[in-house]
Amino acid sequence: NAGVMQNPRHLVRRRGQEARLRCSPMKGHSHVYWYRQLPEEGLKFMVYLQKENIIDESGMPKERFSAEFPKEGPSILRIQQVVRGDSAAYFCASSPRWQGAPNEQFFGPGTRLTVL
Amino acid sequence: DQQVKQNSPSLSVQEGRISILNCDYTNSMFDYFLWYKKYPAEGPTFLISISSIKDKNEDGRFTVFLNKSAKHLSLHIVPSQPGDSAVYFCAASGPGTGNQFYFGTGTSLTVIP
Repeated sequence: NAGVMQNPRHLVRRRGQEARLRCSPMKGHSHVYWYRQLPEEGLKFMVYLQKENIIDESGMPKERFSAEFPKEGPSILRIQQVVRGDSAAYFCASSPRWQGAPNEQFFGPGTRLTVL
Repeated sequence: DQQVKQNSPSLSVQEGRISILNCDYTNSMFDYFLWYKKYPAEGPTFLISISSIKDKNEDGRFTVFLNKSAKHLSLHIVPSQPGDSAVYFCAASGPGTGNQFYFGTGTSLTVIP
């Protein structure tokens, strides 16, 4: 059973470029979460998605950031016009179908974004 | 607004001794708590959880204690082993948060051989 997969593992972008981070959840998991970890900080929730639906994006910056989880293919976190402050580790997690109680979330290895 | 706090950024413990990692939360609606362990360059891995209907949950060398009145939980590792050296995050969830977890800032544990 493959775990949560993220690619790329490392991404370097120059200011103003776009960053696309991909996440493939564990097999059978229909919930995906994105978290960001800034240096010296904990994981901060960004967005929670199910297939073709954004359930909660309360942690997403209002501008430049977007996320999707299409019917087919991985979930994508997209950052437009990156700035140096976007440099962080971005983690994706997945969990099984919501059953009215919290499920353990399984994390991917993360994508380390560096903005030059 | 950090709803889950880990006030000790680091902790060093001798091998074989007990490690105690602490976590405080502010939202009294939280009713499910987890501990994750993270090695450098890897994603967090689930360690142990506890529901608010319990005050203790044990799994091998790991025990989590929950004090609801103090809004405090702790993770005990005994005996500590060098392989336990990692960053430990506590996380919390509750009604109205869906399946969103709020994470603390982490405590870096070093177990000295």
